[in-house]
Amino acid sequence: DAKTTQPTSMDCAEGRAANLPCNHSTISGNEYVYWYRQIHSQGPQYIIHGLKNNETNEMASLIITEDRKSSTLILPHATLRDTAVYYCIVRVEYRWGKLQFGAGTQVVVTP
Amino acid sequence: GAVVSQHPSWVICKSGTSVKIECRSLDFQATTMFWYRQFPKQSLMLMATSNEGSKATYEQGVEKDKFLINHASLTLSTLTVTSAHPEDSSFYICSASNLLAGVQETQYFGPGTRLLVL
Repeated sequence: DAKTTQPTSMDCAEGRAANLPCNHSTISGNEYVYWYRQIHSQGPQYIIHGLKNNETNEMASLIITEDRKSSTLILPHATLRDTAVYYCIVRVEYRWGKLQFGAGTQVVVTP
Repeated sequence: GAVVSQHPSWVICKSGTSVKIECRSLDFQATTMFWYRQFPKQSLMLMATSNEGSKATYEQGVEKDKFLINHASLTLSTLTVTSAHPEDSSFYICSASNLLAGVQETQYFGPGTRLLVL
């Protein structure tokens, strides 16, 4: 699976949009971009995933560049409960579909 | 999203004993379950992948005789840490997904089990 690069940490003000970047310049055509987050001492929580089109759900939006070499996760109105480590992972959906977690981005939402 | 549970949520045991951790998919059938381990201030590390009714596939460096995995049904997988030692103390997390027509669907994670070996 392709590796991803994310900033180590980000601060965000409560109520503002949080834009989390991810670089995956070696992504293959059959690899999806997945986002998970892990709140302290809990299991990871699925947020969203996509292949090449932008995606939106009740939690977030995922913007994937046309060349698919990078993406941005957008939390539209960050709350204190969004403080977590956010992981961007590229994954093939056939065969094992394994997830390889990197270091992620520690997001801290402040009042 | 789908719900995955783990039991127990935390366990303390003496060195040399064995500990069993259960992972259940509550509202979907999980053809594939994954077991991860996470040490403090580190990311999740995949330990093994198990498909229902077959033997688990372990990642390089993970001892299969020490970490016994059983995936006997479509809703339950167990991880047994045999002869646990203090260095096995960690946060163990399972995830589950369904394989449909050759496509591995989204993985959903359990809340984790914190193991402390004294």
